[in-house]
Order: sequence, then C-alpha cells, then structure tokens
Amino acid sequence: SQTIHQWPATLVQPVGSPLSLECTVEGTSNPNLYWYRQAAGRGLQLLFYSVGIGQISSEVPQNLSASRPQDRQFILSSKKLLLSDSGFYLCAWSVGSQNQPQHFGDGTRLSIL
Amino acid sequence: DAKTTQPNSMESNEEEPVHLPCNHSTISGTDYIHWYRQLPSQGPEYVIHGLTSNVNNRMASLAIAEDRKSSTLILHRATLRDAAVYYCILRDVSVWQGAQKLVFGQGTRLTINP
Repeated sequence: SQTIHQWPATLVQPVGSPLSLECTVEGTSNPNLYWYRQAAGRGLQLLFYSVGIGQISSEVPQNLSASRPQDRQFILSSKKLLLSDSGFYLCAWSVGSQNQPQHFGDGTRLSIL
Repeated sequence: DAKTTQPNSMESNEEEPVHLPCNHSTISGTDYIHWYRQLPSQGPEYVIHGLTSNVNNRMASLAIAEDRKSSTLILHRATLRDAAVYYCILRDVSVWQGAQKLVFGQGTRLTINP
C-alpha cells in the first residue's frame, strides 16, 4: 500500500533562518506531488505541484521554493524565513489522472519566532 | 474551478445521520464534486466524489441534485471521530494541466455531541 511521510512534525525557526521540509512517498511510481500551506484559521492554499522529477510549478509568488530530486521525494525550502511563513505545511500525492483522490501527509507545523 | 458555498458550522449528535450541504450554482457540465475532510491537526482525507448520480462508499453517501447546483454529503451514523472540517470542492476535468489542483474553501466545521 502507498504511504506518505513528512518530517519534521513540528519546527520552530527564527526569522531569517533557512528551511528544508521533506516529503517522501512509498508504494507508487511517478506520482503527482503537491505542497500546501494552511495559515492559522484559514483554508489550504496550494503552493507548488510537480508532475515529474525536476518539474515544479508554482501557484503563488512567495518566499519559498520546491524541488523534486527523485521520483518520490519532494522538498520545500527557503533561504530566509519570514514571520508570514508560519503555518501548517502539507504534502500530498495523487496518481496522474483526473479524478483520483489526493492523499495527504500528517503535515509540519512551522512556527517562526 | 467554479465556487462552492458551505455553512461555516454544523452540529449533530452521535449515532444520528448528518447531512452536510454544498451549493455550487455555477457548476459546469465537466465539474466533478469532491468531498474531503480534515480532522484536527491532520492533513485532509478524501471522502467521496461524483458527477451526476448519487454515490455511496464505506465512509459516506453523496446525493447530487438533479440540476447539479447543490449536493449533500451524508454521514449515516455519526461518531465522535467524524468531528472535522468538511470541504466541498469542484474539479473541472476539461482543464487538465497534468496535475490535480484542489481549491479548498473554508469548509463546514462539524461538531458531534456525545
């Protein structure tokens, strides 16, 4: 069966520090991968998605970047964190067809001090 | 993708059925109706989806109005574990960009009373 792993579960970082969040998927090949952010009291916002290795699409302008160095690995990064980067970050995967569901990880809660 | 409208919150009692409404008056013929739910401090979880006919699975039922301008997610016998935020999302399958971009609204926060 397929599983998705995100780490760390929680993270506290100072303003201006770098960030690296990792997401890996097991049990499937060539998944579509997604990064979402949920700010406190708000809905989920799609940040990035990827349909293959090295292929990244950005949905909103921001202080973050994403990379996909391997088929089932998706990384969210920042060189310098801002206070506004605080939130709940969720990784998800789906197979490459229209109506298959997305499967989400347990998320990383990021607090910026 | 077309917009959906859901009540901000609903409350129900344990072991009773729950009917969660969703309005989507601007739905197009190629929009599928998807439901996800998010339990506290967890990622969203797929519940069900449909196009025109009513759908059933082990988690819930989806009733779609004949004109498709509204739908209802039905939990047949709510438990405390069903307390979550429920999202109704439209997916236009005629717009395929190689990935499935879900647009989450505010959803309905469902409270289950013991």
